[in-house]
Amino acid sequence: GQSLEQPSEVTAVEGAIVQINCTYQTSGFYGLSWYQQHDGGAPTFLSYNALDGLEETGRFSSFLSRSDSYGYLLLQELQMKDSASYFCAVMAAGNKLTFGGGTRVLVKP
Amino acid sequence: EAGVTQSPTHLIKTRGQQATLRCSPISGHTSVYWYQQALGLGLQFLLWYDEGEERNRGNFPPRFSGRQFPNYSSELNVNALELEDSALYLCASNRQGGDTEAFFGQGTRLTVV
Repeated sequence: GQSLEQPSEVTAVEGAIVQINCTYQTSGFYGLSWYQQHDGGAPTFLSYNALDGLEETGRFSSFLSRSDSYGYLLLQELQMKDSASYFCAVMAAGNKLTFGGGTRVLVKP
Repeated sequence: EAGVTQSPTHLIKTRGQQATLRCSPISGHTSVYWYQQALGLGLQFLLWYDEGEERNRGNFPPRFSGRQFPNYSSELNVNALELEDSALYLCASNRQGGDTEAFFGQGTRLTVV
């Protein structure tokens, strides 16, 4: 089966940098995705890493190390609107998209 | 382009009843995923359909079932409802199994009383 581990909650102030780590165990790994979900909303896609390295999209960056079964999402220049839950997800053999438990990010003024 | 649509948005059932939830994927998407999200928790994988067939199933009892229709819309059925089935049920679609980005609907909030 598949399992993903990520911290349950992170608190930071506006303008800070937050790193959300995700470790995974799976067979037939294709790639690691990140999704954002605001309270009461649907998850929305942020990024996908299939190869090792850093992918940057504006204030958000995502990193993957396949050899370490590890990735992270980096949120820079935090804004109040970034307060949300962030989920890592693996696409693996069987094309099952499996999510981690989510990290709740609370941004304070 | 219309997004993933789910109906109904809210559903209240009593214990022992059956619930049917519906999902219409984005036009051109053939894969549909179903997830259960209990309040404040993560997304638990329920079912994956692609090209009309069930491709994978999560660790849920058989009373959770579904199907995908020829137009790629999908239905999730939950029989013999239990109180702990109360959750947000999310549907997601993507272009084909293994496509990197999944698009989610707003979900159906199922409450079992």
